[in-house]
Amino acid sequence: GAVVSQHPSWVICKSGTSVKIECRSLDFQATTMFWYRQFPKQSLMLMATSNEGSKATYEQGVEKDKFLINHASLTLSTLTVTSAHPEDSSFYICSAPRPDRGNQPQHFGDGTRLSIL
Amino acid sequence: QKEVEQDPGPLSVPEGAIVSLNCTYSNSAFQYFMWYRQYSRKGPELLMYTYSSGNKEDGRFTAQVDKSSKYISLFIRDSQPSDSATYLCAMSAASYDKVIFGPGTSLSVIP
Repeated sequence: GAVVSQHPSWVICKSGTSVKIECRSLDFQATTMFWYRQFPKQSLMLMATSNEGSKATYEQGVEKDKFLINHASLTLSTLTVTSAHPEDSSFYICSAPRPDRGNQPQHFGDGTRLSIL
Repeated sequence: QKEVEQDPGPLSVPEGAIVSLNCTYSNSAFQYFMWYRQYSRKGPELLMYTYSSGNKEDGRFTAQVDKSSKYISLFIRDSQPSDSATYLCAMSAASYDKVIFGPGTSLSVIP
């Protein structure tokens, strides 16, 4: 079963509103989570690294004031798209490494499809 | 030069064919190499992963990593129409590190 859960899976909202996306690790503690964005017919691009207990680190070109990340606990990271506009419409996916499983690949959520009208 | 290069295709093959998908990369720090399958409007699904160099086989899928050439491959034997999807190679320096994805190859298996 899924070990990383994202919510919501799909959201449609009006331009100018803020949208919050949640990423949860279901049966392990994740001190780090990653947020990716995927535009249509493109690959996943890393947006930021979410760190529990400290500020997120953002990739070049990603506006930290627009994409607010809060790693509220060891099992939850949230991405808030503030004052969303149609160009923010995309597929947002989180991932979490599992420290207790050593050399295992990360688990990815099922993604959140964001549509801004 | 991008960190990870992958031919985007599209690639179209007849059912039963052997499919070869490849990626090259530039960062010698990469140690973990993954292949994901992604269907339209879905999250990526892990198919294969390899730590360091070598081959790994799982059913109809074989992953190869050649770190000396910075080249990885995924082979699909006896391809099926259900294999039609986008295949993403991905890699990271450590299991807890960020994952860098290739652009993805769109594959269609024709019945």
